Amino acid sequence: KQEVTQIPAALSVPEGENLVLNCSFTDSAIYNLQWFRQDPGKGLTSLLLIQSSQREQTSGRLNASLDKSSGRSTLYIAASQPGDSATYLCAVSGNTPLVFGKGTRLSVIA
Amino acid sequence: DTGVSQNPRHKITKRGQNVTFRCDPISEHNRLYWYRQTLGQGPEFLTYFQNEAQLEKSRLLSDRFSAERPKGSFSTLEIQRTEQGDSAMYLCASSVYNEQFFGPGTRLTVL
Repeated sequence: KQEVTQIPAALSVPEGENLVLNCSFTDSAIYNLQWFRQDPGKGLTSLLLIQSSQREQTSGRLNASLDKSSGRSTLYIAASQPGDSATYLCAVSGNTPLVFGKGTRLSVIA
Repeated sequence: DTGVSQNPRHKITKRGQNVTFRCDPISEHNRLYWYRQTLGQGPEFLTYFQNEAQLEKSRLLSDRFSAERPKGSFSTLEIQRTEQGDSAMYLCASSVYNEQFFGPGTRLTVL
């Protein structure tokens, strides 16, 4: 059974810092990995999708990497802003639809 | 707006009542998913449609839950005889390939 773990569970940083969120998964037989953002009480916004054959994807200040063999992904956020405050969720898909971690709750302090 | 839409956004009901939620996917997305999310947890998969065919159901989907996608477009999720443990955010997503796009969710509160 696929299990996804996200560390840390919560993170607070001052504005302008670069930061890394971590995601690990137990079964490396995945098709892709997707990072989402969720604001309180809202739905999920897709940030980045990494196919299993890819090593990384970039969008603006966000960079996600994937090491499938070790079962790890990282989401790098450059020059953090207060508007980045949200919960960030990692999810993997294999033979079943998405399996999610519990998320990392990020607070960026102005 | 061409994103995934869900209605209602909030539903408060009494234990034992039936509720139905609707999801309208992004136009021409042939895959539609339902997830449930409780406080502090990531979403958990409930069921999945490709066009009108329901291809997979989680063991979380008890016999009180039923989902349909009659014409391969919108979908409904019905919960019969609601219980307090059904209180959660119900999320719908759609995709055409691998990337799933989520709606705003329906928050269900069972009193």
